[in-house]
Amino acid sequence: AQTVTQSQPEMSVQEAETVTLSCTYDTSENNYYLFWYKQPPSRQMILVIRQEAYKQQNATENRFSVNFQKAAKSFSLKISDSQLGDTAMYFCAFMKGKTGANNLFFGTGTRLTVIP
Amino acid sequence: DAGVTQSPTHLIKTRGQQVTLRCSPKSGHDTVSWYQQALGQGPQFIFQYYEEEERQRGNFPDRFSGHQFPNYSSELNVNALLLGDSALYLCASSLERYGYTFGSGTRLTVV
Repeated sequence: AQTVTQSQPEMSVQEAETVTLSCTYDTSENNYYLFWYKQPPSRQMILVIRQEAYKQQNATENRFSVNFQKAAKSFSLKISDSQLGDTAMYFCAFMKGKTGANNLFFGTGTRLTVIP
Repeated sequence: DAGVTQSPTHLIKTRGQQVTLRCSPKSGHDTVSWYQQALGQGPQFIFQYYEEEERQRGNFPDRFSGHQFPNYSSELNVNALLLGDSALYLCASSLERYGYTFGSGTRLTVV
């Protein structure tokens, strides 16, 4: 069974500063995907970034980057130059195999507040 | 381009009743998945529909059932509602080899 653990229920960061959200996972699979989703008050899950397990290079999307440590089963999200619009719940998620063909396993989330 | 549309946005039901939630997938997407998100928790997978068949199912009782129509839209039905069924129900659509697009969910309250 797959499990995803987010050990930081809440975090805050000053606007324009950098923050790192932690995520660990447990799986016996060798081929999988990892995701960070953002859930603002509108409730819609929005994909922030995706990492394929077979890629050693860490994924980046503008101000968002990940630190993927496969051996340690760790997948942290770094948000640089934090903006007020980054305030939201952030969920780490795991998916076996090919994207779209399997379901997502989510962590319990981290509530991030960006302070002006 | 319309994303995933869910209806209704909010719903209040009495314990023991039945409820139907609806989802229209993003244009071009043929797979629909349903998730239950209890307050303060991450979403949990209920089931996934593809070609009008249930392709995968999570650890949910048979009270939870679904349907997918030829236009790829989907319904989630929950019978004999329990207080513990109160949650945000999220629908996500996808196309093979591409990622999910989520709707904004239906907030179900069972009283």
